[in-house]
Amino acid sequence: QKEVEQNSGPLSVPEGAIASLNCTYSDRGSQSFFWYRQYSGKSPELIMFIYSNGDKEDGRFTAQLNKASQYVSLLIRDSQPSDSATYLCAVTGGTSYGKLTFGQGTILTVHP
Amino acid sequence: DVKVTQSSRYLVKRTGEKVFLECVQDMDHENMFWYRQDPGLGLRLIYFSYDVKMKEKGDIPEGYSVSREKKERFSLILESASTNQTSMYLCASSPQSGAKNIQYFGAGTRLSVL
Repeated sequence: QKEVEQNSGPLSVPEGAIASLNCTYSDRGSQSFFWYRQYSGKSPELIMFIYSNGDKEDGRFTAQLNKASQYVSLLIRDSQPSDSATYLCAVTGGTSYGKLTFGQGTILTVHP
Repeated sequence: DVKVTQSSRYLVKRTGEKVFLECVQDMDHENMFWYRQDPGLGLRLIYFSYDVKMKEKGDIPEGYSVSREKKERFSLILESASTNQTSMYLCASSPQSGAKNIQYFGAGTRLSVL
């Protein structure tokens, strides 16, 4: 069983719509959850992190965490073509030294 | 701003060569990591280090070694490069501050082994 699983994608949404990216994880001891965005040919960049159950909002991005269901999601409101990228979910905690476990990534395409 | 610098963006090497990939961070982070990223396989951890001269194997250490002689520098070594080590290599660093282990990535090195 994969430790971190993301919805397989690719995901295609029209400009202005809400994009919903989902991630489940297997380690119940996980403490911190991250969403990275990776443009083609570039390195991952952090866009959101969340530690507590509930929602966390930052501009057009909302991260949602449900530790009981071992589920974390990222919502992108008013999606723009510039949001087209691969989104990586990463999880840490329950392991030492800040190791992250990454999901496979979901490719998002926002079409005009 | 955190800066993680990888010495090369692109490298082409021949099978059997010894290859050094260098990574330097300027934020006094304790933790440093080396990943490789391949299509369909995602990011896989090769080695990490939580202190000078300390190293731990990640998920795929075979064929690689690392060196951390100074806090800011973490080197990945391919002892004898093989074609299956053609990949994108990413270095990252993070502070050692409990659960807030945000990792910051370098630009990556795309290595081709011919």
